Amino acid sequence: NAGVTQTPKFQVLKTGQSMTLQCAQDMNHNSMYWYRQDPGMGLRLIYYSASEGTTDKGEVPNGYNVSRLNKREFSLRLESAAPSQTSVYFCASSESGWNQPQHFGDGTRLSIL
Amino acid sequence: QKEVEQNSGPLSVPEGAIASLNCTYSDRGSQSFFWYRQYSGKSPELIMFIYSNGDKEDGRFTAQLNKASQYVSLLIRDSQPSDSATYLCAVYSGGGADGLTFGKGTHLIIQP
Repeated sequence: NAGVTQTPKFQVLKTGQSMTLQCAQDMNHNSMYWYRQDPGMGLRLIYYSASEGTTDKGEVPNGYNVSRLNKREFSLRLESAAPSQTSVYFCASSESGWNQPQHFGDGTRLSIL
Repeated sequence: QKEVEQNSGPLSVPEGAIASLNCTYSDRGSQSFFWYRQYSGKSPELIMFIYSNGDKEDGRFTAQLNKASQYVSLLIRDSQPSDSATYLCAVYSGGGADGLTFGKGTHLIIQP
């Protein structure tokens, strides 16, 4: 039982490049989330998907797009990477909605040069 | 602006003692409260969650919620060096918007 799986684990990009972070969960959860974690800033919500077919902006959505591909998969895309997007990105899922505990993936460490 | 406050620490506790971690929140209507443990370089791991006033116990961990005073605590009994980590408090205010608000975490050190 893998839980929440994120790929890749590490990535270095040049400014202006694009990439997609992948996330998949095998817990049959309805809700999925993307966070970024920066030193001194805590965890901040980028986008979330309350259920398959829906996505909504979080606290810091600028520069990102998401796709809820199916119930299992929720991807995060950086169209034109900027140094300010250097961060650790976590995907999480919960059974249904904010009231339920969230379970996190191992994270992607992304550096933008 | 919904806020969740935690003492950043480090909080140093001798092995075998009780570690007490505190979290205060600003939104009086908050509904759900979560504690996560995060080891350095790792992802947050769910420890406890609590919805109602009072205590909730799970093994060596006890979550305490006092909605009137707007604080939630995590007690760790018989602290072990492996409990050394950063503990994140997260609060859901309800209403379907904004999501969880995370505190910045308390760094706990268990001294052997």
